[in-house]
Amino acid sequence: DIQMTQSPSTLSASVGDRVTITCRASQTISTWLAWYQQKPGKAPNLLMYKASTLQGGVPSRFSGSGSGTEFTLTISSLQPDDFATYYCQQYKSYPYTFGQGTKLQIK
Amino acid sequence: EVPLLESGGGLVQPGGSLRLSCAASGFSFSSYAMAWVRQAPGKGLQWVSSLSDSGGRTYYADSVKGRFTISRDNSKNTLYLQMNSLRAEDAAIYYCAKGPYHDSSEWFEYWGQGSLVTVSS
Repeated sequence: DIQMTQSPSTLSASVGDRVTITCRASQTISTWLAWYQQKPGKAPNLLMYKASTLQGGVPSRFSGSGSGTEFTLTISSLQPDDFATYYCQQYKSYPYTFGQGTKLQIK
Repeated sequence: EVPLLESGGGLVQPGGSLRLSCAASGFSFSSYAMAWVRQAPGKGLQWVSSLSDSGGRTYYADSVKGRFTISRDNSKNTLYLQMNSLRAEDAAIYYCAKGPYHDSSEWFEYWGQGSLVTVSS
């Protein structure tokens, strides 16, 4: 199975900050990677797929990059609505696997 | 929005069975792969199972293989997850999710609100 590791596990930041979350795969997955945002008590919401393609309706302050084994999700200027938990997911091969999550909290 | 509405969750004893349903609307259900993803309380996301648009291809996590069965009824726009021999570690919120293509769920475009499964004696 492909293991996905996110860092950091928790990130404290302020409104207006630029933040980056990293996701590493245990083997190469090309750009077969998605990012999700989840708020407490809610279902996850797709942000990005193919590592850097923004899902429709997602604000442009979100961006993704990377290929192979290392990927990043960047939020260019944090907004109050962005404080949530973020997950990466590989879909190169079954079983699909998620990172353990990064909780983005207010500093 | 693509409404996906799960139902069928509840409390079941270890070793028991439960069938989850996911009613879809707002898109051509029979044209897309679908999946189940679960989340144990306070934990991360875990992919459980996927199947193709026709239901002809199914995929399972090792942890549920042989105990869970994914299926669909395209005439009813409904996805199912039959869960047998349930264990304490199967307790979670179960989400159904829509894939972007007909044959593989790949990423999960839309998610239901989730159905809570509790396994306890």
